[in-house]
Amino acid sequence: DTGVSQDPRHKITKRGQNVTFRCDPISEHNRLYWYRQTLGQGPEFLTYFQNEAQLEKSRLLSDRFSAERPKGSFSTLEIQRTEQGDSAMYLCASSFGGIEQFFGPGTRLTVL
Amino acid sequence: SQKIEQNSEALNIQEGKTATLTCNYTNYSPAYLQWYRQDPGRGPVFLLLIRENEKEKRKERLKVTFDTTLKQSLFHITASQPADSATYLCALDPDSWGKLQFGAGTQVVVTP
Repeated sequence: DTGVSQDPRHKITKRGQNVTFRCDPISEHNRLYWYRQTLGQGPEFLTYFQNEAQLEKSRLLSDRFSAERPKGSFSTLEIQRTEQGDSAMYLCASSFGGIEQFFGPGTRLTVL
Repeated sequence: SQKIEQNSEALNIQEGKTATLTCNYTNYSPAYLQWYRQDPGRGPVFLLLIRENEKEKRKERLKVTFDTTLKQSLFHITASQPADSATYLCALDPDSWGKLQFGAGTQVVVTP
């Protein structure tokens, strides 16, 4: 399967712990996006990369969140000192050129 | 502030009928608008894109219109089928860099 993959699919953690999610985009796609989605809402933009460069972070993203895309391939999203309000579905998407985006299945985070 | 509004109530429709969904936006001047489908527990899937200079776009049983004066897009599913049951999201790209802003989505339920 050559679609976007995300790992893990589900993560349950205790408040205060750090978590890291991985996204593997479609191989020839140069852009990679992270979104967060809560129940009943549409995805909310968090940050994006063009190749290995992180071009923008949403001002809604606190300093506890960091993302990397080493070598312009896979990306990781780390949340430090998780809070209950971080519970959400974290979606990764990739594109070539930024228009049609291909989304992964998401990582569902539950913070207890 | 920028807003994207979609019908918040679920649309229940009988198989074979046409479903019509609305997306209204304020304080955007988008070059294009996109529609995505999302099934429970999955990432969104791209359906259609319509540009600001296009009035209508079709793909199989789907039709999208875009009125930049009214700041509105309509999404139609003709000859609806139970397999069309899902949440449909409208998305705008404020500056054409792919940082999509989504509406909350409208759930469509097609009954046999």
